[in-house]
Amino acid sequence: KAGVTQTPRYLIKTRGQQVTLSCSPISGHRSVSWYQQTPGQGLQFLFEYFSETQRNKGNFPGRFSGRQFSNSRSEMNVSTLELGDSALYLCASSPRPENTEAFFGQGTRLTVV
Amino acid sequence: GENVEQHPSTLSVQEGDSAVIKCTYSDSASNYFPWYKQELGKGPQLIIDIRSNVGEKKDQRIAVTLNKTAKHFSLHITETQPEDSAVYFCAAFRDYQKVTFGTGTKLQVIP
Repeated sequence: KAGVTQTPRYLIKTRGQQVTLSCSPISGHRSVSWYQQTPGQGLQFLFEYFSETQRNKGNFPGRFSGRQFSNSRSEMNVSTLELGDSALYLCASSPRPENTEAFFGQGTRLTVV
Repeated sequence: GENVEQHPSTLSVQEGDSAVIKCTYSDSASNYFPWYKQELGKGPQLIIDIRSNVGEKKDQRIAVTLNKTAKHFSLHITETQPEDSAVYFCAAFRDYQKVTFGTGTKLQVIP
């Protein structure tokens, strides 16, 4: 069974631009959650989707948004990029709506210059 | 909101020795506590978890204990091996949805 796939693996963007990251969950998993990982702030929860509905959101500004499609694939978008948005963005999928037993992808390394 | 403190931030042990990592949480409503292992260049991998209605769980060389009264939980790794070297994160979920992670522990197992 294929794991969680995140694309692209690496991305370099300029301040002010926007970016879209993609996540394909494990087949059959309907819950997808997103996290930001930085050396200074550690792992922080961004948001979680189940059956195309956002069920929870972390403490991030509105520049961070996401969505989930009917096939459970998810995208997250960051608009008006700032230098501080440079981070590893991780996606995780879970077989159940309660977001437990999460399986992580390898992440997308975003660098904002 | 929830606050999770994790200690120590770095830990070096000799191969074969045991390693213990501790986390404390602040929200008594938190009810699910997983531990993740993250190797360089990879995403976190769930290694063991425990729910609030259980005090201890073991899986081969790895065990987790939970003290709800004191609001702390610990990861125990016995007979450590070099491949156990990684960064370990604890996390606390409230209502199985809202999650807060610890700051991570870098474990080094010295052969």
